[in-house]
Amino acid sequence: AQSVTQPDIHITVSEGASLELRCNYSYGATPYLFWYVQSPGQGLQLLLKYFSGDTLVQGIKGFEAEFKRSQSSFNLRKPSVHWSDAAEYFCAVGERSASKIIFGSGTRLSIRP
Amino acid sequence: GAVVSQHPSRVICKSGTSVKIECRSLDFQATTMFWYRQFPKQSLMLMATSNEGSKATYEQGVEKDKFLINHASLTLSTLTVTSAHPEDSSFYICSARDTTTYEQYFGPGTRLTVT
Repeated sequence: AQSVTQPDIHITVSEGASLELRCNYSYGATPYLFWYVQSPGQGLQLLLKYFSGDTLVQGIKGFEAEFKRSQSSFNLRKPSVHWSDAAEYFCAVGERSASKIIFGSGTRLSIRP
Repeated sequence: GAVVSQHPSRVICKSGTSVKIECRSLDFQATTMFWYRQFPKQSLMLMATSNEGSKATYEQGVEKDKFLINHASLTLSTLTVTSAHPEDSSFYICSARDTTTYEQYFGPGTRLTVT
């Protein structure tokens, strides 16, 4: 069965510092991979997604993620975080045909002034 | 861009009553919609897949008689929580898959509180 693991529950970084959020997946074939962001009490916003092609994916708000098949990883990165990036981040994996999306447990990002 | 709305955004109901939550795709058609629930500080758990004109497919452990899903049109799916209890209090989020592009879009969520 497909699954997603986000090993970091909570991360705090200083404003302006770089960020990397980890995500590992388990899936039998090439997965559809997503990163979403959720602000408190809000719905989800898609940051980026990977279906095929270039393994380095650019998203909105300056985020990028790299698909590494050998490591079953899809880590999210940002070179310089802003205070407005504080939120909950979810990695997710989807099935090719049914588009059912399974979410990881989430990583809460706090920004230190 | 594609927008998915949910109504109501917040609802408080008494234990034993039923509550209906609507999920609408505003500017696209969605043959398939998905319902998730999210407990505080936890991840989204897929409850069911809603297909227009047919029965919903429920995930393991989700009571289909308690969480009634109806997908009567290409732009509307409803989730009815029947005989609600305090443990049903949660944040319910729907998503809709664009029939043409297969892109999936999420609604803003509905916070249900059962007293």
